[in-house]
Amino acid sequence: SQQGEEDPQALSIQEGENATMNCSYKTSINNLQWYRQNSGRGLVHLILIRSNEREKHSGRLRVTLDTSKKSSSLLITASRAADTASYFCATDSNYQLIWGAGTKLIIKP
Amino acid sequence: DAGVIQSPRHEVTEMGQEVTLRCKPISGHDYLFWYRQTMMRGLELLIYFNNNVPIDDSGMPEDRFSAKMPNASFSTLKIQPSEPRDSAVYFCASSLGDSRGTQYFGPGTRLLVL
Repeated sequence: SQQGEEDPQALSIQEGENATMNCSYKTSINNLQWYRQNSGRGLVHLILIRSNEREKHSGRLRVTLDTSKKSSSLLITASRAADTASYFCATDSNYQLIWGAGTKLIIKP
Repeated sequence: DAGVIQSPRHEVTEMGQEVTLRCKPISGHDYLFWYRQTMMRGLELLIYFNNNVPIDDSGMPEDRFSAKMPNASFSTLKIQPSEPRDSAVYFCASSLGDSRGTQYFGPGTRLLVL
C-alpha cells in the first residue's frame, strides 16, 4: 500500500472558499512534500516540511505536520479557479519519495 | 533554465513495437527519476539514477523495460516489445543532491499502445 494517502479523493468548492486536503502516512519520515498537477501536465513542487517543523506557509498555502498522528494537511486559502488541479503528498522512505493517490480539487466559479 | 525536457509528448504505437522515451534533466541535477502514472496505480517510480548510475530499478515492471543514462544530460526509457497495458503517462524528474528532496518534473509522455 502507498505510504501517503490523501483525503478526500475529490473536493469541489466555490471560488473564494478555503480548501483543506489531508495526507496520512505509515512510517517515520524526514520530510513531507506537497505537489500540484494540472490536467495534462507534470507535477510541480509546492512546499516541503521537515519532520521537526509543525507548520509552514507559502503565499496562500499553509501546511501542517503532526508526526505523532503521522498526518499532514494542506490548506489553500481564498481559492481561485487556477487552483483547480490534483494535489499529491510525498514522503521519503528508503531514499526515494513515496506518493499518495492525490486529491482532485475543483474550484467552481 | 528550460526545466526537464521530455520527448515525444505523445506516442501512439501498436502492440509489439519498440518505444523509446527521452529525457533531458535540469542542468547540474545529479538525480534522475522515471515515473509511470495511471488512473489505476497512481504514480509509480520505475527507476532512478544518481550521477548517471542506476541506483534502484526495483520498480521496473519486467524485462521489457530498460533505462539508460549515457551522460548527465540525457536518459532513455525503452519498452520492447510494448503491450497495451503499458499505456500510461511517463514522467521524468530530476533533483539536486538528494533522492528524497524536491523533484522537478517534465511535462510527461502520453503513451498509447494499441
